[in-house]
Amino acid sequence: DIQMTQSPSSLSASVGDRVTITCRASQSISSYLNWYRQKPGRAPELLIFAASSSHSGVPSRFSGRGSGTAFTLSISSLQPEDFATYYCQQTYSSPLTFGGGTKVEIK
Amino acid sequence: EVQLLESGGALVQPGGSLRLSCAASGFTFSSYAMSWVRQAPGKGLEWVSAIINSGGSTHYADSVKGRFTISRDNSKNTLYLQMNSLTAEDTAVYSCAKTGKSSGYYLYNWFDSWGQGTLVTVSS
Repeated sequence: DIQMTQSPSSLSASVGDRVTITCRASQSISSYLNWYRQKPGRAPELLIFAASSSHSGVPSRFSGRGSGTAFTLSISSLQPEDFATYYCQQTYSSPLTFGGGTKVEIK
Repeated sequence: EVQLLESGGALVQPGGSLRLSCAASGFTFSSYAMSWVRQAPGKGLEWVSAIINSGGSTHYADSVKGRFTISRDNSKNTLYLQMNSLTAEDTAVYSCAKTGKSSGYYLYNWFDSWGQGTLVTVSS
């Protein structure tokens, strides 16, 4: 199974800050890496698919980069609705696996 | 608008069985692979199972293989998850998720829509 490791597991930031979350795969997954945001008590929402493609309707402050084993999700200017937990997911091979999550909290 | 509505969650005793349903609308259900994903209380996301668009191929996480069965009825736009031999470790909110690319396959894809989930609690 491919292990997905996110870092950090949590972070504190302020509205307007730039934030970067890292996701590493235990083996190469090409660009088959997706990012989701989950607000408390809500279903996850797709932000980025195929490592760097923005899902329809997702604000431009979200961007994704990487390929192979190392990936990043960046939020250029944190908004109040971005305080949530973020997950990466690989769909290169079965079983599909998610990272452990990164909780973004208000400083 | 895509809508996914899960049902069937309940409190069940260890060793028991449960069948979850996911009613889909707002898209051509038969064109998309579907998955079940679960989230234990206070924990992260865990993929459980996937089924290709035709229903002809199914895939499972090792943690549920041999106990859970995914299926779909494209005439009813409904996805199912039959869960047997349940244990406390299966306690979670179970959500269905639609793949974003209409390839019919779940790999090399993403989940562009999720249901709100249905809670399964396994306890005596």
